[in-house]
Amino acid sequence: QKEVEQNSGPLSVPEGAIASLNCTYSDRGSQSFFWYRQYSGKSPELIMFIYSNGDKEDGRFTAQLNKASQYVSLLIRDSQPSDSATYLCAVKKGGSNYKLTFGKGTLLTVNP
Amino acid sequence: NAGVTQTPKFQVLKTGQSMTLQCAQDMNHNSMYWYRQDPGMGLRLIYYSASEGTTDKGEVPNGYNVSRLNKREFSLRLESAAPSQTSVYFCASFSGGDKRLLETQYFGPGTRLLVL
Repeated sequence: QKEVEQNSGPLSVPEGAIASLNCTYSDRGSQSFFWYRQYSGKSPELIMFIYSNGDKEDGRFTAQLNKASQYVSLLIRDSQPSDSATYLCAVKKGGSNYKLTFGKGTLLTVNP
Repeated sequence: NAGVTQTPKFQVLKTGQSMTLQCAQDMNHNSMYWYRQDPGMGLRLIYYSASEGTTDKGEVPNGYNVSRLNKREFSLRLESAAPSQTSVYFCASFSGGDKRLLETQYFGPGTRLLVL
């Protein structure tokens, strides 16, 4: 089992819809979870991080964490064409203060 | 603040040539990283430096060496480039420690390397 798994997509949603991106991880000791956005040809940029079970909201973005089921998700409300990008899930494992493990990313396309 | 800078932006090498990718950060971060990103493979950690004076292997270290020159600079060297090292290379830094609000890795703009 891969350490961090994401559907590669592409995920296509119409403008204004909710985009749901999912990520599962294998290490139950994982402590911190991150969502990065990467536009084509650009470097990743952090959107959100979450540590505790439940939801964390920031504007149109909501991160959800369920440690029992070992998944983390990102919801994007009122999706805009500018949200079209690859979304990378990253996990920091327990005991590893310095390393993130990334999933392969999900390509999201928001159609006008 | 420039954040994380990388040089060069693009490079073409012939098989067997050597080169050094440079990375510098001006955020006074303790930890620095080198990743490579290939289509369909996501970001893979090559080497990292948890603090000045230390370096450790990541997931794919073979064919690379690194130097943490000082707190600001972390270089990646390809001693004998191979076509399999064609990739986009990202340097990143983060402050480290236990302060969760600071647990953010900042990425440089990347170096696109083609090995013929």
